Amino acid sequence: GAGVSQTPSNKVTEKGKYVELRCDPISGHTALYWYRQSLGQGPEFLIYFQGTGAADDSGLPNDRFFAVRPEGSVSTLKIQRTERGDSAVYLCASKPSGSGDTQYFGPGTRLTVL
Amino acid sequence: AQSVTQLDSQVPVFEEAPVELRCNYSSSVSVYLFWYVQYPNQGLQLLLKYLSGSTLVKGINGFEAEFNKSQTSFHLRKPSVHISDTAEYFCAVSDVRAGRRALTFGSGTRLQVQP
Repeated sequence: GAGVSQTPSNKVTEKGKYVELRCDPISGHTALYWYRQSLGQGPEFLIYFQGTGAADDSGLPNDRFFAVRPEGSVSTLKIQRTERGDSAVYLCASKPSGSGDTQYFGPGTRLTVL
Repeated sequence: AQSVTQLDSQVPVFEEAPVELRCNYSSSVSVYLFWYVQYPNQGLQLLLKYLSGSTLVKGINGFEAEFNKSQTSFHLRKPSVHISDTAEYFCAVSDVRAGRRALTFGSGTRLQVQP
């Protein structure tokens, strides 16, 4: 079946602009995670959804970052007033209930803020 | 809070040689343990995981890892590597308690297999 997909694969924007990154999880997966991977580092947790609600947003770095999952499937990560330090690969992962914690990752969106 | 340390940022090895990628973790609670592989321009793929039971875990592509609770380690091994194993490898942990179960990753080890 289809895996986790993320669009766009690459996004270049200018400092101060607003961006939206989209994640389509595997069909039927109830849990959805966003991570950020900076160059040369491992992914860092941003936010976790269980269904439609954000169960844990403790990883969001500041209030410029926001994510939604209105129908419990597709999720959008929104970044306002982008800064050069936001440049990274943004990864999405999904997980079904009872999978023993295996998260399935998408290919990521590479965000470059000029 | 949890943390993961991957002691080697790069590991060069010749084809058909054995390899071990080291991972140590720190946590105040029980954890699940994972190894993921990331090929260039691709997403993370699960290699293997330890949830409970036997401390020796076998994964895909001939990899295995051993959970050592006393040393808080989860080292990844392969007896004979191939050129195609060249990739970035990430060790990760998650809290066993119900809740967010987000993964905490190490900084990665780049395995470079040379002919």
